Amino acid sequence: EDQVTQSPEALRLQEGESSSLNCSYTVSGLRGLFWYRQDPGKGPEFLFTLYSAGEEKEKERLKATLTKKESFLHITAPKPEDSATYLCAVFPNHSGGYQKVTFGTGTKLQVIP
Amino acid sequence: DAGVTQSPTHLIKTRGQQVTLRCSPISGHKSVSWYQQVLGQGPQFIFQYYEKEERGRGNFPDRFSARQFPNYSSELNVNALLLGDSALYLCASSLARMTGELFFGEGSRLTVL
Repeated sequence: EDQVTQSPEALRLQEGESSSLNCSYTVSGLRGLFWYRQDPGKGPEFLFTLYSAGEEKEKERLKATLTKKESFLHITAPKPEDSATYLCAVFPNHSGGYQKVTFGTGTKLQVIP
Repeated sequence: DAGVTQSPTHLIKTRGQQVTLRCSPISGHKSVSWYQQVLGQGPQFIFQYYEKEERGRGNFPDRFSARQFPNYSSELNVNALLLGDSALYLCASSLARMTGELFFGEGSRLTVL
């Protein structure tokens, strides 16, 4: 069974204080790993797709990286508007022909001015 | 362009009742998936529909059912509601059948009393 574990559960940063969120995964062949952002009371918003180890993607203050067992979401000089829950999800190669996406429980990030 | 729209946004039911939730995907998206998100957890896959056919089902009881209409909109039905069905129900659409790049609606918040 596919598993996604995110750490820490919650992270509190001062504005400008860079840090990383971790996503460890177990899947029998990775089709893709995805990062989403979720604001309170809203649906998740797609951020990045990573397909293979060594791949990196960037968007504004966020950079996602992928290894064979983990993915990291690096946040550089965060601002209060970056406060949200960040979700990691995996899509296996052997999905049975459907969109078998497994999400982690997320990291709740709070950036204090 | 309109994003994924869901209705109703909030609803309260009592145990044993039935509920129908509705979703309109982004124009041109033929895949609709339903997810359940319990407070503090990541979204959990319930169903995927593509071209009006059920393509996959998660680990949910038969009380959960869904369908997709010719215009690609979708309904999720839950019968014989239990307290544990209280959650945010998310609809996600995608252009491709096999992708983890999902576009979510804002969800329907169901409370079962």
